[in-house]
Amino acid sequence: GAVVSQHPSRVICKSGTSVKIECRSLDFQATTMFWYRQFPKQSLMLMATSNEGSKATYEQGVEKDKFLINHASLTLSTLTVTSAHPEDSSFYICSARGAGYGYTFGSGTRLTVV
Amino acid sequence: GENVEQHPSTLSVQEGDSAVIKCTYSDSASNYFPWYKQELGKRPQLIIDIRSNVGEKKDQRIAVTLNKTAKHFSLHITETQPEDSAVYFCAASIEAGTALIFGKGTTLSVSS
Repeated sequence: GAVVSQHPSRVICKSGTSVKIECRSLDFQATTMFWYRQFPKQSLMLMATSNEGSKATYEQGVEKDKFLINHASLTLSTLTVTSAHPEDSSFYICSARGAGYGYTFGSGTRLTVV
Repeated sequence: GENVEQHPSTLSVQEGDSAVIKCTYSDSASNYFPWYKQELGKRPQLIIDIRSNVGEKKDQRIAVTLNKTAKHFSLHITETQPEDSAVYFCAASIEAGTALIFGKGTTLSVSS
């Protein structure tokens, strides 16, 4: 079946630094990548949608200059949290779609900003 | 955009009982309705899904029903077991390309 590899699984960073999260589709071409954020005991909240080769579309309230999304190839999308602050601590998870493939989730990244 | 409401937020049942979780959606264009089970710190796991051309789907102890007119869909788990304890999310999308929009989740506890 379709697999999306997400790294890192856990990261701790200092306030003010940037963190990059990668999602790779291993056996299919991910034409669309969705990025979600999940705070403890809450639901998955859509942050942005990116189509390969195009700029990402951000949901209302999500700062595009803070959460940089790159989807330059059909197998790799990255989310960079810039100038991270403690309130950005969350579980970030990607979901990829490709022709003939349904929504395939990465394993998630637990970000802790100290 | 799509909005998905999910009830109840918590549900406690005895082993062997049935559990029902209900969701409503707002966008009549949505045509794909999956249900996910999520364990702490893990990715959501698809347990069953239904598309808008079908009213009901069953897979062993799990079933999903869809009422397009009323814009609601439900998850039914029969003969619950302690290992069914988890957080369950419903979601909706236009399958051709939009993102899944999730409900707020239901924490199911099955006690033996």
